[in-house]
Amino acid sequence: IQVTQSPSSLSASVGDRVTITCRASQGMNSWLGWYQQKPEKAPKPLIYDTSKLESGVPSRFSGSRSGTDFTLTISSLQPEDFATYYCQQYSSYPPTFGGGTKVDIK
Amino acid sequence: QVQLVESGGGVVQSGTSLRLSCAASGFTFSNHGIHWVRQAPGKGLEWVAVLYYDAITEYYADSVKGRFTISRDNSKNTVYLEMNSLRAEDTAVYYCVRDWNIRASAIYYFDYWGQGTLVTVSS
Repeated sequence: IQVTQSPSSLSASVGDRVTITCRASQGMNSWLGWYQQKPEKAPKPLIYDTSKLESGVPSRFSGSRSGTDFTLTISSLQPEDFATYYCQQYSSYPPTFGGGTKVDIK
Repeated sequence: QVQLVESGGGVVQSGTSLRLSCAASGFTFSNHGIHWVRQAPGKGLEWVAVLYYDAITEYYADSVKGRFTISRDNSKNTVYLEMNSLRAEDTAVYYCVRDWNIRASAIYYFDYWGQGTLVTVSS
């Protein structure tokens, strides 16, 4: 299963609502996760099983799906949220990542 | 707390070999599958290999199959990635990553990541 992530980059302001989408190439279950990566750092898990927040992740992050479209939403962007976000499907082997979305300051 | 610490990266010539190590702590190591995930400079993430908790079941990405070998020493809480016949396209930061599942087949969701070690293959 390939996952196509969009947009590849976006510019936003603090307080904005941000939405990132991953589209799966075929039907799959809810085994999709989201990671946040800051420069020179390892990815940090945010969400697993489409919508379950990892421990310690702020509630402004949420995940949802509609068919083969999976969405990461940041309800009110904070300064520490400027980063690159990746989706990853683990519904079928091999696991695959989206191409990433870089969120920077407008 | 869970920690994964990679080592062994460096600059090597194309066609040569390198072994990466990943020292784990803060959890029952023998209960979890361990993966390697890599990231080429300025690029996205690519899953490379997994060794299940049973230390027997292993899988590889097509891009490294036949060249890379993953192994683990549960007595030392350490995973290794032996990389042979290295190519310029293997240049990347290599992350050691824990599989979320416990004492079962790997689920391929990655819940803890090391800081990574950079491998540069020069041609």
